[in-house]
Amino acid sequence: EPEVTQTPSHQVTQMGQEVILRCVPISNHLYFYWYRQILGQKVEFLVSFYNNEISEKSEIFDDQFSVERPDGSNFTLKIRSTKLEDSAMYFCASSEVSSGRLEQYFGPGTRLTVT
Amino acid sequence: RKEVEQDPGPFNVPEGATVAFNCTYSNSASQSFFWYRQDCRKEPKLLMSVYSSGNEDGRFTAQLNRASQYISLLIRDSKLSDSATYLCVARYQGGKLIFGQGTELSVKP
Repeated sequence: EPEVTQTPSHQVTQMGQEVILRCVPISNHLYFYWYRQILGQKVEFLVSFYNNEISEKSEIFDDQFSVERPDGSNFTLKIRSTKLEDSAMYFCASSEVSSGRLEQYFGPGTRLTVT
Repeated sequence: RKEVEQDPGPFNVPEGATVAFNCTYSNSASQSFFWYRQDCRKEPKLLMSVYSSGNEDGRFTAQLNRASQYISLLIRDSKLSDSATYLCVARYQGGKLIFGQGTELSVKP
């Protein structure tokens, strides 16, 4: 069964450093998303991406965040200058949508720890 | 008011029990709804979609009442492996998912 994959599984970085989180969505999916979950809190939407551009972004997704689809398979989230409060699980998700299938499938996540 | 609200639990039930979770949503523009389950520190896994007519998948039944802005999930014949956090999720136009806080279920032998 096709899966969303994410690397790395755990990233530790110092405050102020840049991090890039990587995702490989399911191959025939056209819509891509990033979510985050701070420990003990609910899953929060960050950004959606379709046709090589951002469709929607939340208030959390400020100028420190960017997304990119550098090639036909990868989808990345970059945090330019990390803050302590960026520590969270970051989940990538993808969906097909074009055939009416609205379900989003999540990757295993990257645990980001900012020290 | 929270966009998607759930009773956080925990629900502690014996194996074989029937358990029901409820969820309310505040934005009537929500297009569709889902139940996901999340095991500790893992990704949300899609359990089932919930459409206007409701649907059943084995031991799981989901219902949607748009007039009351209310969604439910019923689990029959609970198994130990059902222990997890159940997430009620609303999808807005454009694809954004709004998650509830989750309801924790613990099934005991």
